[in-house]
Amino acid sequence: AQKITQTQPGMFVQEKEAVTLDCTYDTSDQSYGLFWYKQPSSGEMIFLIYQGSYDEQNATEGRYSLNFQKARKSANLVISASQLGDSAMYFCAMRGTSGTYKYIFGTGTRLKVLA
Amino acid sequence: NAGVTQTPKFQVLKTGQSMTLQCAQDMNHNSMYWYRQDPGMGLRLIYYSASEGTTDKGEVPNGYNVSRLNKREFSLRLESAAPSQTSVYFCASSEPGRLGSPLHFGNGTRLTVT
Repeated sequence: AQKITQTQPGMFVQEKEAVTLDCTYDTSDQSYGLFWYKQPSSGEMIFLIYQGSYDEQNATEGRYSLNFQKARKSANLVISASQLGDSAMYFCAMRGTSGTYKYIFGTGTRLKVLA
Repeated sequence: NAGVTQTPKFQVLKTGQSMTLQCAQDMNHNSMYWYRQDPGMGLRLIYYSASEGTTDKGEVPNGYNVSRLNKREFSLRLESAAPSQTSVYFCASSEPGRLGSPLHFGNGTRLTVT
């Protein structure tokens, strides 16, 4: 069975500082994908970044980067130079390749950026 | 492009009433999904449809039925609503042939069952 664990229910970060949101996963698939989503208070789900299990380099998208450590089964999201607009709920998700197309999600981390 | 469109945005039901949540996508995606979001529990998969003509149970299917009407549309039905089904429901779609295809979400339906 696949599982995503986000152990930080809430985080605070000072504006302009970097923050790391933790995500660990469990899967027996050799090939899988990891995704991060942002959910602002307005409620929509916004895709941020993707990392494939066979990608040799860590994914980056603007101020977002993914610290992928395959042996540790972790895929932490790093947000650099935090902005007030980064205050939101963040979800880690995974999709495997063992015959299904299910995406499973962690329980999320609520990030608050302080001015 | 509209992307993924869900209706209604809000709904209040009494226990025992039925309703159907509608979802349509215009991205020509093969796979469609229904999730529910509850505080502290993240998003949990109710049902999904890997391709037109197929549906499969997810993590929390009890009390729900789905219909993949065509490639664009995937509806979720509550036959006899219960207070435990109070939640925010999200429809999503993706292209399963590409591992890196993210889920594209609708804006959600906030359902309250009294």
